[in-house]
Amino acid sequence: EAQVTQNPRYLITVTGKKLTVTCSQNMNHEYMSWYRQDPGLGLRQIYYSMNVEVTDKGDVPEGYKVSRKEKRNFPLILESPSPNQTSLYFCASQFSGANVLTFGAGSRLTVL
Amino acid sequence: AQSVTQLDSQVPVFEEAPVELRCNYSSSVSVYLFWYVQYPNQGLQLLLKYLSGSTLVKGINGFEAEFNKSQTSFHLRKPSVHISDTAEYFCAVTGSQGNLIFGKGTKLSVKP
Repeated sequence: EAQVTQNPRYLITVTGKKLTVTCSQNMNHEYMSWYRQDPGLGLRQIYYSMNVEVTDKGDVPEGYKVSRKEKRNFPLILESPSPNQTSLYFCASQFSGANVLTFGAGSRLTVL
Repeated sequence: AQSVTQLDSQVPVFEEAPVELRCNYSSSVSVYLFWYVQYPNQGLQLLLKYLSGSTLVKGINGFEAEFNKSQTSFHLRKPSVHISDTAEYFCAVTGSQGNLIFGKGTKLSVKP
Protein backbone atom coordinates (compact mmCIF):
# COMPACT_ATOMS: atom_id res chain seq x y z
CA GLU A 1 0.00 0.00 0.00
CA ALA A 2 1.30 3.45 -0.97
CA GLN A 3 1.79 5.43 2.21
CA VAL A 4 3.76 7.84 4.32
CA THR A 5 4.70 6.36 7.69
CA GLN A 6 5.58 8.46 10.72
CA ASN A 7 6.96 7.31 14.05
CA PRO A 8 6.29 7.73 16.85
CA ARG A 9 2.61 8.59 16.62
CA TYR A 10 2.56 9.91 20.18
CA LEU A 11 5.43 11.12 22.34
CA ILE A 12 5.74 12.92 25.64
CA THR A 13 9.20 14.22 26.43
CA VAL A 14 10.95 16.82 28.56
CA THR A 15 12.63 20.08 27.66
CA GLY A 16 16.09 19.63 26.19
CA LYS A 17 15.95 15.91 25.48
CA LYS A 18 16.85 15.38 21.82
CA LEU A 19 14.33 13.48 19.76
CA THR A 20 13.79 12.37 16.18
CA VAL A 21 10.51 11.83 14.40
CA THR A 22 10.98 9.50 11.46
CA CYS A 23 9.16 9.73 8.13
CA SER A 24 9.31 7.15 5.38
CA GLN A 25 7.47 6.92 2.05
CA ASN A 26 7.27 3.98 -0.33
CA MET A 27 6.16 5.84 -3.46
CA ASN A 28 9.57 6.97 -4.78
CA HIS A 29 8.53 10.60 -4.34
CA GLU A 30 11.18 13.26 -4.83
CA TYR A 31 9.52 15.93 -2.69
CA MET A 32 9.02 15.56 1.05
CA SER A 33 7.92 18.07 3.66
CA TRP A 34 7.25 18.54 7.37
CA TYR A 35 4.35 20.58 8.76
CA ARG A 36 3.17 21.40 12.22
CA GLN A 37 -0.49 21.90 13.02
CA ASP A 38 -1.60 24.12 15.90
CA PRO A 39 -5.15 25.12 16.83
CA GLY A 40 -6.25 28.24 14.98
CA LEU A 41 -3.04 28.40 12.94
CA GLY A 42 -3.63 25.67 10.37
CA LEU A 43 -0.61 23.87 8.93
CA ARG A 44 2.71 25.62 8.75
CA GLN A 45 5.65 24.25 6.84
CA ILE A 46 8.82 23.55 8.82
CA TYR A 47 11.23 22.18 6.21
CA TYR A 48 10.97 20.60 2.80
CA SER A 49 13.20 18.61 0.50
CA MET A 50 13.11 18.63 -3.29
CA ASN A 51 15.30 15.52 -3.54
CA VAL A 52 18.13 13.62 -1.87
CA GLU A 53 20.61 15.96 -0.15
CA VAL A 54 18.45 19.01 -1.05
CA THR A 55 16.59 20.61 1.86
CA ASP A 56 15.24 24.08 2.50
CA LYS A 57 13.52 26.04 5.24
CA GLY A 58 9.80 26.52 5.34
CA ASP A 59 7.92 29.13 7.32
CA VAL A 60 8.80 27.97 10.86
CA PRO A 61 12.20 26.21 10.81
CA GLU A 62 13.58 27.49 14.13
CA GLY A 63 14.42 24.71 16.56
CA TYR A 64 14.27 21.95 13.95
CA LYS A 65 16.72 20.10 11.72
CA VAL A 66 16.18 17.69 8.87
CA SER A 67 18.25 15.46 6.65
CA ARG A 68 17.60 13.65 3.38
CA LYS A 69 20.27 11.02 2.90
CA GLU A 70 17.93 8.59 1.15
CA LYS A 71 14.96 9.26 -1.10
CA ARG A 72 12.45 7.42 1.08
CA ASN A 73 13.37 8.94 4.48
CA PHE A 74 13.07 12.46 5.83
CA PRO A 75 13.55 12.56 9.62
CA LEU A 76 12.69 15.62 11.71
CA ILE A 77 15.15 16.31 14.51
CA LEU A 78 14.51 18.42 17.58
CA GLU A 79 17.97 18.93 19.13
CA SER A 80 16.68 20.65 22.28
CA PRO A 81 12.89 20.54 22.40
CA SER A 82 11.01 23.30 24.17
CA PRO A 83 7.35 23.48 25.28
CA ASN A 84 6.46 25.74 22.33
CA GLN A 85 7.23 22.78 20.06
CA THR A 86 4.31 20.88 21.52
CA SER A 87 2.25 20.27 18.41
CA LEU A 88 0.86 17.80 15.89
CA TYR A 89 3.41 17.09 13.18
CA PHE A 90 2.73 15.84 9.68
CA CYS A 91 5.10 14.51 7.06
CA ALA A 92 4.01 14.59 3.42
CA SER A 93 5.43 13.64 0.04
CA GLN A 94 4.70 13.91 -3.67
CA PHE A 95 6.29 13.57 -7.07
CA SER A 96 7.92 16.84 -8.08
CA GLY A 97 5.42 18.98 -9.95
CA ALA A 98 2.52 16.66 -9.16
CA ASN A 99 0.79 19.06 -6.78
CA VAL A 100 -0.88 16.30 -4.78
CA LEU A 101 0.58 15.70 -1.35
CA THR A 102 0.22 12.38 0.45
CA PHE A 103 0.19 12.89 4.21
CA GLY A 104 1.25 10.66 7.05
CA ALA A 105 -1.11 10.02 9.96
CA GLY A 106 0.59 12.56 12.20
CA SER A 107 2.81 12.56 15.28
CA ARG A 108 1.53 14.23 18.42
CA LEU A 109 4.42 15.60 20.44
CA THR A 110 4.19 17.01 23.95
CA VAL A 111 7.21 18.73 25.49
CA LEU A 112 6.98 19.26 29.24
CA ALA B 1 3.56 36.48 -1.26
CA GLN B 2 0.75 34.02 -1.52
CA SER B 3 -1.71 33.66 1.32
CA VAL B 4 -4.99 31.89 2.04
CA THR B 5 -7.88 33.14 4.14
CA GLN B 6 -10.61 30.82 5.31
CA LEU B 7 -13.36 33.12 6.39
CA ASP B 8 -15.09 30.86 8.90
CA SER B 9 -13.28 28.98 11.64
CA GLN B 10 -16.37 26.91 12.50
CA VAL B 11 -19.48 26.05 10.51
CA PRO B 12 -22.32 24.20 12.26
CA VAL B 13 -24.99 22.76 10.00
CA PHE B 14 -27.81 20.24 10.20
CA GLU B 15 -27.70 16.95 8.35
CA GLU B 16 -28.99 17.11 4.75
CA ALA B 17 -28.60 20.89 4.63
CA PRO B 18 -26.34 22.54 2.03
CA VAL B 19 -23.00 23.95 3.10
CA GLU B 20 -20.45 26.39 1.71
CA LEU B 21 -16.96 26.77 3.16
CA ARG B 22 -15.33 29.97 2.02
CA CYS B 23 -11.74 30.43 0.88
CA ASN B 24 -10.01 33.50 -0.53
CA TYR B 25 -6.44 33.65 -1.69
CA SER B 26 -3.96 36.29 -2.66
CA SER B 27 -1.35 35.74 -5.31
CA SER B 28 0.35 37.73 -8.01
CA VAL B 29 0.93 34.67 -10.17
CA SER B 30 -1.12 31.82 -11.55
CA VAL B 31 -2.10 29.44 -8.83
CA TYR B 32 -3.11 25.91 -8.19
CA LEU B 33 -5.81 25.55 -5.53
CA PHE B 34 -6.72 22.67 -3.27
CA TRP B 35 -9.11 21.56 -0.58
CA TYR B 36 -7.96 18.96 1.93
CA VAL B 37 -10.06 17.27 4.62
CA GLN B 38 -8.92 16.04 8.01
CA TYR B 39 -11.20 13.60 9.81
CA PRO B 40 -10.80 13.34 13.61
CA ASN B 41 -7.45 11.83 14.61
CA GLN B 42 -6.34 11.33 11.02
CA GLY B 43 -4.00 12.93 8.52
CA LEU B 44 -5.08 15.12 5.62
CA GLN B 45 -6.46 13.78 2.38
CA LEU B 46 -7.13 15.56 -0.87
CA LEU B 47 -10.77 16.46 -1.58
CA LEU B 48 -10.28 18.25 -4.89
CA LYS B 49 -7.90 20.46 -6.82
CA TYR B 50 -7.95 23.15 -9.46
CA LEU B 51 -4.98 23.23 -11.81
CA SER B 52 -6.49 24.64 -15.01
CA GLY B 53 -9.50 24.30 -17.31
CA SER B 54 -13.08 24.26 -16.05
CA THR B 55 -13.58 26.51 -13.07
CA LEU B 56 -16.05 24.08 -11.46
CA VAL B 57 -14.15 21.23 -9.90
CA LYS B 58 -15.76 18.09 -8.54
CA GLY B 59 -14.13 16.09 -5.78
CA ILE B 60 -14.75 13.08 -3.62
CA ASN B 61 -17.76 12.56 -1.34
CA GLY B 62 -20.01 14.88 -3.36
CA PHE B 63 -18.01 18.06 -2.76
CA GLU B 64 -17.32 20.64 -5.45
CA ALA B 65 -15.56 23.98 -5.62
CA GLU B 66 -15.59 26.89 -8.00
CA PHE B 67 -12.52 28.87 -8.94
CA ASN B 68 -13.36 32.56 -9.32
CA LYS B 69 -10.34 34.47 -10.55
CA SER B 70 -11.92 37.93 -10.37
CA GLN B 71 -12.92 37.42 -6.74
CA THR B 72 -9.81 35.35 -5.93
CA SER B 73 -12.02 32.75 -4.29
CA PHE B 74 -12.26 28.98 -4.23
CA HIS B 75 -15.32 28.17 -2.12
CA LEU B 76 -16.19 24.57 -1.29
CA ARG B 77 -19.81 23.41 -1.50
CA LYS B 78 -21.92 20.36 -0.90
CA PRO B 79 -25.69 20.33 -1.56
CA SER B 80 -26.56 17.91 1.26
CA VAL B 81 -24.19 17.03 4.09
CA HIS B 82 -24.00 13.87 6.18
CA ILE B 83 -22.89 13.29 9.74
CA SER B 84 -19.78 11.65 8.31
CA ASP B 85 -18.72 14.97 6.73
CA THR B 86 -17.87 16.31 10.18
CA ALA B 87 -14.19 17.19 9.86
CA GLU B 88 -11.78 20.06 9.47
CA TYR B 89 -11.33 21.42 5.96
CA PHE B 90 -8.24 23.20 4.70
CA CYS B 91 -7.90 25.36 1.63
CA ALA B 92 -4.41 25.58 0.12
CA VAL B 93 -2.60 27.42 -2.66
CA THR B 94 0.74 26.76 -4.26
CA GLY B 95 3.51 29.09 -3.17
CA SER B 96 6.24 30.59 -5.33
CA GLN B 97 8.59 27.72 -4.35
CA GLY B 98 6.03 25.13 -5.43
CA ASN B 99 5.18 24.41 -1.80
CA LEU B 100 1.64 24.43 -0.41
CA ILE B 101 0.38 27.30 1.74
CA PHE B 102 -2.57 26.33 3.91
CA GLY B 103 -5.38 28.34 5.39
CA LYS B 104 -6.14 28.07 9.09
CA GLY B 105 -8.92 25.57 8.58
CA THR B 106 -12.70 25.44 8.93
CA LYS B 107 -14.30 22.97 11.31
CA LEU B 108 -17.51 21.61 9.84
CA SER B 109 -19.85 20.18 12.43
CA VAL B 110 -22.87 18.30 11.08
CA LYS B 111 -25.68 17.81 13.58
CA PRO B 112 -28.55 15.31 13.31
